[in-house]
Amino acid sequence: QSVLIQPPSASGTPGQRVTISCSGSSSNVGHNPVNWYQQLPGTAPKLLISNNNERPSGVPERFSASKSGTSASLAISGLQSEDEADYYCAVWDDTLNVLFGGGTKLTVL
Amino acid sequence: EVQVVESGGGLVQPGGSLRLSCATSGFTFSSYWMCWVRQAPGKGLEWVANIKQGGTEKYYAASVKGRFTISRDNAKNSLYLQMNSLRAEDTAVYYCSTSDRWGTPSQYWGQGTLVTVSS
Repeated sequence: QSVLIQPPSASGTPGQRVTISCSGSSSNVGHNPVNWYQQLPGTAPKLLISNNNERPSGVPERFSASKSGTSASLAISGLQSEDEADYYCAVWDDTLNVLFGGGTKLTVL
Repeated sequence: EVQVVESGGGLVQPGGSLRLSCATSGFTFSSYWMCWVRQAPGKGLEWVANIKQGGTEKYYAASVKGRFTISRDNAKNSLYLQMNSLRAEDTAVYYCSTSDRWGTPSQYWGQGTLVTVSS
């Protein structure tokens, strides 16, 4: 089981807003910036959010993220069918490891 | 255009060795931390190792420490992963990626190379 806890699944209908949480501790999420990744079926992961809430060039504004204390969250507004993917959070831990969350499978109903 | 291309995967017996390579172009390789991330079939992402720009600092996941060695050749814009004493649980797709200054994978990823450890 991952040290970073994500819900295994999430779902929403087109146009809805969904959020995915990532819960850690003071040695990781509470102390270092969180990244988020999207992995479409059969493809490599793609950086979605860096440094807690920064969108790389090309990532739609529909994707946003925040962090408070030892928890972080990813929000997707105006949900689209192409958003159906696995989503992972990741963070550097003060024990000198990079931690990934277990991943959340997002289904667009 | 940025390109990140892993190679060297394949089928290897338990206890065997394999060397993965990652050839890059389109960005200043020597300016980036680099890392390896793996994904076992049907499972989530797992960080394997990081290496600093000059190769002087390296960090490893506990699951591979002492068995895997990360290295780089900035003159060839390439990253490597030497994997020894391979186990069945090392079976995964191995991805090469740039890392940000906090060690987490960043914007440039390869397509991955599959390593299968089986007799």
